Amino acid sequence: GESVGLHLPTLSVQEGDNSIINCAYSNSASDYFIWYKQESGKGPQFIIDIRSNMDKRQGQRVTVLLNKTVKHLSLQIAATQPGDSAVYFCAEYNYGQNFVFGPGTRLSVLP
Amino acid sequence: EPEVTQTPSHQVTQMGQEVILRCVPISNHLYFYWYRQILGQKVEFLVSFYNNEISEKSEIFDDQFSVERPDGSNFTLKIRSTKLEDSAMYFCASSDWGGETQYFGPGTRLLVL
Repeated sequence: GESVGLHLPTLSVQEGDNSIINCAYSNSASDYFIWYKQESGKGPQFIIDIRSNMDKRQGQRVTVLLNKTVKHLSLQIAATQPGDSAVYFCAEYNYGQNFVFGPGTRLSVLP
Repeated sequence: EPEVTQTPSHQVTQMGQEVILRCVPISNHLYFYWYRQILGQKVEFLVSFYNNEISEKSEIFDDQFSVERPDGSNFTLKIRSTKLEDSAMYFCASSDWGGETQYFGPGTRLLVL
């Protein structure tokens, strides 16, 4: 189910460890997905995207995995740094619905 | 690096008043969007705009809302008669192609009293 209000799921990781943030999307017809990072008081910032004809896409220190069978998306951050602390959320897109955003996961990087 | 800008950063208004939120999208972008984020909740799509007309809108975007691109650079969101529940962060975004990566502005925090 969705998280509503202030009680975002939180992931705490040690600096230097890898982080995995998960997202369940709702529409099997969605064909484009984006991971965003949102720092406190700022707008969402694009991290990485993936189209539905792919299973995996890698960026700098980040990897997105898409499992269409179970409508699941994950974001992997390698060697997590203090600057990675933020709320991360996925967005799904299909024509006629525009972007639908997930509720987000708060990533907290411990020193 | 080009960025989306929004003004004002904060707006406080009385219930029933009209507000206009302003955005300057990235200059070569063709698609423009407004989203809102109520405190502590997820980002919600309001409206998308292309070729000087609304292309998609959500259920939130009722008759109290309107958008305009008055001069080829600004993109505005007007709320005609604000309600308490309109209090939220409003984000503008733009993209060069519909459905592709959207670049978000820093947001306008609207507080309706």
